[in-house]
Amino acid sequence: DAGVIQSPRHEVTEMGQEVTLRCKPISGHDYLFWYRQTMMRGLELLIYFNNNVPIDDSGMPEDRFSAKMPNASFSTLKIQPSEPRDSAVYFCASSLALQGTSPLHFGNGTRLTVT
Amino acid sequence: GDSVTQMEGPVTLSEEAFLTINCTYTATGYPSLFWYVQYPGEGLQLLLKATKADDKGSNKGFEATYRKETTSFHLEKGSVQVSDSAVYFCALRSGGSNYKLTFGKGTLLTVNP
Repeated sequence: DAGVIQSPRHEVTEMGQEVTLRCKPISGHDYLFWYRQTMMRGLELLIYFNNNVPIDDSGMPEDRFSAKMPNASFSTLKIQPSEPRDSAVYFCASSLALQGTSPLHFGNGTRLTVT
Repeated sequence: GDSVTQMEGPVTLSEEAFLTINCTYTATGYPSLFWYVQYPGEGLQLLLKATKADDKGSNKGFEATYRKETTSFHLEKGSVQVSDSAVYFCALRSGGSNYKLTFGKGTLLTVNP
């Protein structure tokens, strides 16, 4: 079990550029989550998918953010155009189920810096 | 809505000291409770969990007891090690938030040799 795989680990870009973050969940997990972590706001849930379908995107900060899950083994989070305030660590996580004690398995994150 | 309040860090201890990180919650119904740990440069990983009142979750020498009467789930360890240095997150899951995990803000623990 390779765990949740995210790429890239680090991304440095200039304001206004498009940024795409990638995630491969654990095989067999039906749920995929995107989180953002900052010192000021802690961990924020941006969006989650169930069986590749977006279920709740109420945490997506604005229209500049979009997420897709074209198949069960791949998801992207895109920011276009990027702004300095988007600088954060973005985590992808997956789980077997939503209820009960089914744990979230996190990737190692993508550290995004927008200058 | 659901919420989790953790003691603010950072917490700095010497090796073999006793650790307590306080966590209280507000939730609809009877939530499941969790502690996650984040080591430097890594994602969060589940440390322990409890699903009902008076349950005690334990793992790697850490313990936490689900206290419904005080809506608390404090994390404890009797003797910390340098390798326990990490950020610790308390979290809950309930029907009130459609079973999405709600995290506290995290508590940074540094253990010095």
